[in-house]
Amino acid sequence: EPEVTQTPSHQVTQMGQEVILRCVPISNHLYFYWYRQILGQKVEFLVSFYNNEISEKSEIFDDQFSVERPDGSNFTLKIRSTKLEDSAMYFCASNSGRQESGKYNEQFFGPGTRLTVL
Amino acid sequence: LAKTTQPISMDSYEGQEVNITCSHNNIATNDYITWYQQFPSQGPRFIIQGYKTKVTNEVASLFIPADRKSSTLSLPRVSLSDTAVYYCLVVGPSGNTPLVFGKGTRLSVIA
Repeated sequence: EPEVTQTPSHQVTQMGQEVILRCVPISNHLYFYWYRQILGQKVEFLVSFYNNEISEKSEIFDDQFSVERPDGSNFTLKIRSTKLEDSAMYFCASNSGRQESGKYNEQFFGPGTRLTVL
Repeated sequence: LAKTTQPISMDSYEGQEVNITCSHNNIATNDYITWYQQFPSQGPRFIIQGYKTKVTNEVASLFIPADRKSSTLSLPRVSLSDTAVYYCLVVGPSGNTPLVFGKGTRLSVIA
């Protein structure tokens, strides 16, 4: 079964450093997302990406964050200058963008990258 | 999208049926009810969706009354491996809009 993959599984960085989290969405999916989950808290939406541009973003997704689809397979999240409060699990998700009549078209999540900012 | 309310936690013994009820009083006509499951340190995983009445798949059943203001996820004969957080979400039909997760229901299955 196709799946979303993410690398690395765990990233440790110093405050102020730049990090890039990588995701390979399911092939032929059209919508891509980043969510994050701070330890013990709920999953929060960061950004969605469609047709090579950001389609929606949350208040969390400020100027420190950027996303890119550099080639036909990877989808990346960059945090320019990490802060302690960026420590969280970051989940990538994708959606086919094709809706069948009467059926919900689900998002598929990756296993996540645990980011630890020291 | 409609706000959802579900119990924070539930405990169950192995082999029992578990029912988790979610209320979504302000659900819109075109919205679907979906449930996702999240194991510790993993991403959420879609398990079931419905619009009205009853839906059953290999994992769970979903019961939705006629007014659609609530729904009940039913897990038959749970095992230890069903220990997870279960999220009830109300979503538009396209599925490509961002998901809004609540705190979910933490199900603990005890041997």
